[in-house]
Amino acid sequence: EVQLVQSGAEVKKPGATVKISCKVSGYSFIDYYIHWVQQAPGKGFEWMGLVDPEDGKIRYAERFQGRVTITADTSTDTAYMELSSLRSEDTAVYYCVIGGLHWGQGTLVTVSS
Amino acid sequence: DIVMTQSPDSLAVSLGERATINCKSSQSVLYSSNNKNYLAWYQQKPGQPPRLLIYWASTRESGVPDRFSGSGSGTDFTLTISSLQAEDVAVYYCQQYYRPLTFGGGTKVEI
Repeated sequence: EVQLVQSGAEVKKPGATVKISCKVSGYSFIDYYIHWVQQAPGKGFEWMGLVDPEDGKIRYAERFQGRVTITADTSTDTAYMELSSLRSEDTAVYYCVIGGLHWGQGTLVTVSS
Repeated sequence: DIVMTQSPDSLAVSLGERATINCKSSQSVLYSSNNKNYLAWYQQKPGQPPRLLIYWASTRESGVPDRFSGSGSGTDFTLTISSLQAEDVAVYYCQQYYRPLTFGGGTKVEI
């Protein structure tokens, strides 16, 4: 069974950086792309980017380009998403998604002064 | 990127009645390499992550009640709840999962 366990909720000040982890198990880590998706309060989903754990290839959504960094550590089967220069509009739940279909439980990031 | 358009935005259905949600993609999500539609449907309740209901446009995820069904191909898709139950009150989303991921805006289903 595919399992994704994300790190816990974070509270950050404007301008700070947050790094969220996504530990996966139950399948071969390098077999599927890992995506990150944002859901702001009361809103829909927005794709942020992906990493191919097999070769480290990255693609970012234009909206987040320059502020987001996605990585994958094949030694620990863990993916990471780092978002910098945080602003209040970044307050959201962030999800890792394996192969486009298997979702983590989500990590709430609150940006507040 | 592929734009997903869902309709309606909200839907009120009586218990036991049918609910139908539509999803249209700006380009086909049917890929000739494997003849599969890269289209999924999710249910999301407040404070919860989305729950996968349907993938490959019409394959029901394990454990999903058979009152949920998906149909369509190419650019036009439908999620049908054949007999609405109280626990089906939620927001439903379509998603295409050919890289990258894009999502419909959601349909709120109420009793």
